[in-house]
Parts: sequence; structure tokens; C-alpha cells
Amino acid sequence: ETGVTQSPTHLIKTRGQQVTLRCSSQSGHNTVSWYQQALGQGPQFIFQYYREEENGRGNFPPRFSGLQFPNYSSELNVNALELDDSALYLCASSSRTSGSPNEQFFGPGTRLTVL
Amino acid sequence: AQSVTQLDSHVSVSEGTPVLLRCNYSSSYSPSLFWYVQHPNKGLQLLLKYTSAATLVKGINGFEAEFKKSETSFHLTKPSAHMSDAAEYFCVVARLNTGFQKLVFGTGTRLLVSP
Repeated sequence: ETGVTQSPTHLIKTRGQQVTLRCSSQSGHNTVSWYQQALGQGPQFIFQYYREEENGRGNFPPRFSGLQFPNYSSELNVNALELDDSALYLCASSSRTSGSPNEQFFGPGTRLTVL
Repeated sequence: AQSVTQLDSHVSVSEGTPVLLRCNYSSSYSPSLFWYVQHPNKGLQLLLKYTSAATLVKGINGFEAEFKKSETSFHLTKPSAHMSDAAEYFCVVARLNTGFQKLVFGTGTRLLVSP
């Protein structure tokens, strides 16, 4: 069973540029969530995708967008990068069922630096 | 709204001594609570979870946590610290919205273990 993988590991961009981060879900999982973890902080929920649609969003502007593909892999896109976007971006996959929350399995993250 | 407060940003212990990481929660209904650990340059790993079953929850690597509704606490403990326990620990509450679940993280507690 393959765990959650993310690419790239590290990325350096400049202000105003656009970036795409990628995530492959754990086998059998149909839900992907993205989190932003600034230095010294806990992860903050960006959004969640289920069946290729965004079905929940945190307090992030529209320049943060995403996609989920039929194989449940996902992308996070950030436009018009700002210095404060520098952070570790974490992807988490889970298997959505009704009722109690399910464990989210996290990837190792992508470290984005905006100069 | 659900939230968690981790009462200590840093905890230092000696190897072989007990570990106590404190977490208080706020929730308008019975919460689902988790503890995650993050080792340097690695993804988040679930230590244990509470979902309204037994109030004393046992996790991996000898960790356990007790849910105390009267104190709104969910403290993480381990009888004897090991050097490999040095990491960042996050107390997390799951927030269930219509159609999706997001994790709300505390600010983290860094555990330092000295020989």
C-alpha cells in the first residue's frame, strides 16, 4: 500500500508568480484535503476535495484553487504569490464515509519559499 | 466553533521520565479529538484519536490520552520518554460541517528530550 506522496519537495518562487503543487492519495482514499503550515504554526485548512469537487474551504482567498482527478490525485494552485505564502503545504487523504470523522493521512509536504 | 489550545509551546524532559503535553478544547458538542506528531522534515503521523468511545485512549509508541469533559481537556501522556520522542506534537479537533470534515490544529508543543 502506497502512502500519500507530494511533489515537489521544495520550491522557490518570486512574488507574483504562480505555483502548482501535486499530491497522490493513499490507495483506496477518495477525499483530499490541503493545509498550509507557516513556520512555527499549526497547519491551517485550505480546502477539501471529494469526487473531483471542492466541498469545503477554509479562510483562504480565491487565488488558492485546486483540482482533484478521477484517480483521486490532486493539485493545489496558488496565483499571484505573496511573501506570506511561504510555508509547508500538506496534503492529506482520507476515505469519506458518513458518521464519525475518519483519519486523515498526511504526505511529507512541499516547502514553498516566495522571494 | 471548535478549537483547541495547547498550553505549552515547549516541554523539556529527560529520557526515561514521564511526558505530559496539555491540551484544552472548546466545542459546542461532543468533539472528535486527535493527537498528531511531526518529526523534522516528515509528515504528520496520527498518535491516537478519541471519538466518544472509551475516555482513555491508547495510541502508538506508548502514548495515551484521557478525555475529560468536566475539564474540557485531552492531555497526552507517556510513562517514559525516549530520545526518539523529540518532535512537534499537535492537538487537533475535527470539525464536521455539512458534507465535509476539516481538522483544526493547535499551535503545537515542541517536546525536547535530553539524555
